[in-house]
Amino acid sequence: EADIYQTPRYLVIGTGKKITLECSQTMGHDKMYWYQQDPGMELHLIHYSYGVNSTEKGDLSSESTVSRIRTEHFPLTLESARPSHTSQYLCASSEWRVSGNTIYFGEGSWLTVV
Amino acid sequence: SQKIEQNSEALNIQEGKTATLTCNYTNYSPAYLQWYRQDPGRGPVFLLLIRENEKEKRKERLKVTFDTTLKQSLFHITASQPADSATYLCALDRTDKLIFGTGTRLQVFP
Repeated sequence: EADIYQTPRYLVIGTGKKITLECSQTMGHDKMYWYQQDPGMELHLIHYSYGVNSTEKGDLSSESTVSRIRTEHFPLTLESARPSHTSQYLCASSEWRVSGNTIYFGEGSWLTVV
Repeated sequence: SQKIEQNSEALNIQEGKTATLTCNYTNYSPAYLQWYRQDPGRGPVFLLLIRENEKEKRKERLKVTFDTTLKQSLFHITASQPADSATYLCALDRTDKLIFGTGTRLQVFP
C-alpha cells in the first residue's frame, strides 16, 4: 500500500475561483508527479519534480502551477478555474532504483468547475 | 514522438481462461516497461516491471513478456477471476519519466 495522499478527493467549484490540490507522501521519495486524466482517457504528465525547489512542466500544457518546498509535499494550484479544467488529477511519487522507476499513485482528486 | 498503443476495445473473457493484453510502442527503445492496474475512479497500481534484457517475468498468476525487436509487450493473467476486471496500463520510461498507454479494459465474467 502506497503512502501518498491527496485532498480533496472531490471538489466542485465555480469558474474563476482559485483552488489548490494537496498531495503528500511519507515515503521520502525525491521524485513527484502530477498527472491529468479524463474519464476513459490516458494519463498525461503535467508537472514533475526531482526534489525540493525543483519543478518542471510535463508533456501536456497546463495552466496550473506547482511548488516543492518540502520533500513530502507537492501541491498543485489553479489561480482561476475554468470548466475546461474539469478532470481527475493524480499525484504520484517514485524513488529511483537499479530495478527501475516504479511510480506510486494517490487516489486522485476529481475537480469539477461549473 | 514516442507512441504507445494498447487495444482500446475492451477484452471480455470467461472466468478461468487466460487473458492476454498487448502493448506496442514506436520511436523509442525503453530500458524497461511496466504494467499497472487501474480500477474506476482510482489511481493506477504497479504490477510488474520488465527490463529490456529480460524476455519474461512472472508474479503469481501474472506473466509479462518483452520483445524489443517487435517493440511489443504481452501481459497475461492466467486462471482469470472476476476480481481481475479492471483497466490495465502499460508504461515505458523516457528519460526518468514514465509515459502511459491508454489502457485496455478487461472484463472477466463468471
